[in-house]
Amino acid sequence: QSVLTQPPSVSAAPGQKVTISCSGSGSNIGNNYVSWYQQLPGTAPKLLIYDNNKRPSGIPDRFSGSKSGTSATLGITGLQTGDEADYYCGTWDSSLSVVVFGGGTKLTVL
Amino acid sequence: EVQLVESGGGLVQPGGSLRLSCAASGLTFSSYWMSWVRQAPGKGLEWVANINQDGGEKYYVDSVKGRFTIYRDNAKNSVYLQMTSLRAEDTAVYYCARGPSYFHDWGQGILVTVSS
Repeated sequence: QSVLTQPPSVSAAPGQKVTISCSGSGSNIGNNYVSWYQQLPGTAPKLLIYDNNKRPSGIPDRFSGSKSGTSATLGITGLQTGDEADYYCGTWDSSLSVVVFGGGTKLTVL
Repeated sequence: EVQLVESGGGLVQPGGSLRLSCAASGLTFSSYWMSWVRQAPGKGLEWVANINQDGGEKYYVDSVKGRFTIYRDNAKNSVYLQMTSLRAEDTAVYYCARGPSYFHDWGQGILVTVSS
């Protein structure tokens, strides 16, 4: 059971938009920055979003992040088949003094 | 370009020990927090531990406290994870990553299998 809650799977057609939610509590998302990662099959995770809504250099603006209260959302527009991957949210939990991740969401581009 | 290269994984019996190493290049290593994150087969990400720039501050997930030790050698641009009293549930791919609570760069991962 992960501290952060994500939907196990989402799907959408190529070219469409999808959002992935990440729900937590006041000790984690509510008071700390959220990051998002993409993990393609058989590869290491890759940072997509940090500090709630910032993109590292090289990450296209099709990927966006937002946070409201104790929840965060990853948005992906203009879906491509290459976006099929597992997506994870993460943040610091101030009460536990640990980094916590969501359980991951598998994105299928139909 | 930042490169993080893990080594030291393999098969170990329950109760055994293993030391993972992560060699960093392409960055001023001594300026950054470093972390270890693991992923059990078919499962999600689990953060294991992190360490600050001079090694004086460390945090661990509860399940490894007292068994795992993270440390670093800035002269060698390396971070380590000493693992003792290994259990079957420690079986995972272990990633070295740059950062305290979000991770800009990741190694390729190294597999640790705990089995008799």
